[in-house]
Amino acid sequence: AQSVTQPDIHITVSEGASLELRCNYSYGATPYLFWYVQSPGQGLQLLLKYFSGDTLVQGIKGFEAEFKRSQSSFNLRKPSVHWSDAAEYFCAVALYGNKLVFGAGTILRVKS
Amino acid sequence: SAVISQKPSRDICQRGTSLTIQCQVDSQVTMMFWYRQQPGQSLTLIATANQGSEATYESGFVIDKFPISRPNLTFSTLTVSNMSPEDSSIYLCSVGNSNYGYTFGSGTRLTVV
Repeated sequence: AQSVTQPDIHITVSEGASLELRCNYSYGATPYLFWYVQSPGQGLQLLLKYFSGDTLVQGIKGFEAEFKRSQSSFNLRKPSVHWSDAAEYFCAVALYGNKLVFGAGTILRVKS
Repeated sequence: SAVISQKPSRDICQRGTSLTIQCQVDSQVTMMFWYRQQPGQSLTLIATANQGSEATYESGFVIDKFPISRPNLTFSTLTVSNMSPEDSSIYLCSVGNSNYGYTFGSGTRLTVV
């Protein structure tokens, strides 16, 4: 069955530490891949997206993600986390037909 | 990217009543999407609304419960009908496509009492 998996429900990192949020997908073809962030009480903001080409994509707020076809993964990274990065992060995929399917989300806590 | 104005931002409703949520986009778009985010959960697509045709509903969602209107290329409404406490969620509209990405409204936080 087609699915998007974010295996970590919660992650806590210290401010200034590096961050990696995991995302795996299960689809027959390479989908279009997205990462969104949702701050408490806020809407969804697009961090970055991957369609094709360079497998390392840069996004806003210092985030990047790497697409690995062999692992069906699209992990989100940030070299140094700031307290303002505390939020919920959603990986999402879209197939032809434009329906966006979301993972369960990962809640990021940043400790000072 | 498109800018979406969604309202109301929140509401508290009595069970058995209905609430209509509106989304206005600042540009013409072909497809609009409606999502539900239940407390502590991820987003689930309710339906896709194209102008001039019936909305396409996902499994588990029916038109009688979530009627959608799409009168033109910049506007859509979602009605949550005959509400029960289980309908308490955040409802979001979205526009976009897989080539350019998707923009979301700020959401409607619905509480049914």
